[in-house]
Amino acid sequence: EADIYQTPRYLVIGTGKKITLECSQTMGHDKMYWYQQDPGMELHLIHYSYGVNSTEKGDLSSESTVSRIRTEHFPLTLESARPSHTSQYLCASSGGNQPQHFGDGTRLSIL
Amino acid sequence: DQQVKQNSPSLSVQEGRISILNCDYTNSMFDYFLWYKKYPAEGPTFLISISSIKDKNEDGRFTVFLNKSAKHLSLHIVPSQPGDSAVYFCAAKSGDDMRFGAGTRLTVKP
Repeated sequence: EADIYQTPRYLVIGTGKKITLECSQTMGHDKMYWYQQDPGMELHLIHYSYGVNSTEKGDLSSESTVSRIRTEHFPLTLESARPSHTSQYLCASSGGNQPQHFGDGTRLSIL
Repeated sequence: DQQVKQNSPSLSVQEGRISILNCDYTNSMFDYFLWYKKYPAEGPTFLISISSIKDKNEDGRFTVFLNKSAKHLSLHIVPSQPGDSAVYFCAAKSGDDMRFGAGTRLTVKP
């Protein structure tokens, strides 16, 4: 049973639209992460947070932004979607030194 | 620069036989290694891990071996079952920095 939830699961949308991908976890984890993954490729970290009001960029440059106003919620926003943003976006969380726990992802297609 | 490499994109084995998935890394600062399993339309789920102070960790049918001098780790699944068919990601950590490989798709044939 998932303790970390991502919505929507799938999104097909036109170029130029503003998009927010939602991620919520019920485990009380301080650390949360966003990854981008293309088929057959490794997961690339695009954003992470170590707690409320803490956000950092990952090692893959991304035009998206994130916020962490509440511990359980870590939304990712694209102000103006482009076809190059088409990808799978995975959210994860972790507590202490435990392994990261992933959501089921959002598969985003920009037309 | 890809610091964690899984050079086999796919692997096919017969049910009941051993599956061996390999992973190489380049950064000697990595001190903790994990394997994740991913089914289609689901997120990766944690499978097994190993600290750099060990060379083997076993959990049921799954064993991870670490060879630090070769910067190589492997995941052994014995016996393999059709339900093991999935994509397996290797990951390596140094502090809070975690890097993933591109995954190996394992198919276990009945």
